[in-house]
Amino acid sequence: DAGVIQSPRHEVTEMGQEVTLRCKPISGHNSLFWYRQTMMRGLELLIYFNNNVPIDDSGMPEDRFSAKMPNASFSTLKIQPSEPRDSAVYFCASSLGVAGVHEQFFGPGTRLTVL
Amino acid sequence: QQQVKQSPQSLIVQKGGISIINCAYENTAFDYFPWYQQFPGKGPALLIAIRPDVSEKKEGRFTISFNKSAKQFSLHIMDSQPGDSATYFCAARGGASSASKIIFGSGTRLSIRP
Repeated sequence: DAGVIQSPRHEVTEMGQEVTLRCKPISGHNSLFWYRQTMMRGLELLIYFNNNVPIDDSGMPEDRFSAKMPNASFSTLKIQPSEPRDSAVYFCASSLGVAGVHEQFFGPGTRLTVL
Repeated sequence: QQQVKQSPQSLIVQKGGISIINCAYENTAFDYFPWYQQFPGKGPALLIAIRPDVSEKKEGRFTISFNKSAKQFSLHIMDSQPGDSATYFCAARGGASSASKIIFGSGTRLSIRP
């Protein structure tokens, strides 16, 4: 099993540009989570999906952030326009999402730098 | 009520010593308490987890102690090794739905001195 796959691993962009982060969850997992990690705020849940449907997006910072999950094997997190304060490591995680099984498997993360 | 408070923020322990990280929660609906370990440049990975119907769970050198009445739980690392140096997150999951989200603590950066 390849694990959760994220791309790109590193992204450097200029303020105002659109950024798209991509995630492929583990095959068979039906819950997908997007997190943001910074030194100041720690690990924050941005949004999570169950069976491709957004369940809770209360952690999305503002309208500049949007996430989609068009099918069970792909999700995107988009920032438009990007700002320097969006610089962080963004993690995608997936889980089996059935009763009694809760382990979330994290991807390697995308380190985003907005200049 | 949704928060999980973790301490200390950082911890330095001598090789062979015991590392202890503490967490507290308020929401009595939480029903699953995992600990995640994160190495630099990597995503967090599940280390050990406990349910509130038991007071202790041990896996090798790692033990979770759980005090339901005090709403506190802690991670003990026995015989700490330099390879244990990492950031540790406690967490809690609430609700009966299998899609319930996990709330993470703020993290503890552990350094084991050789």
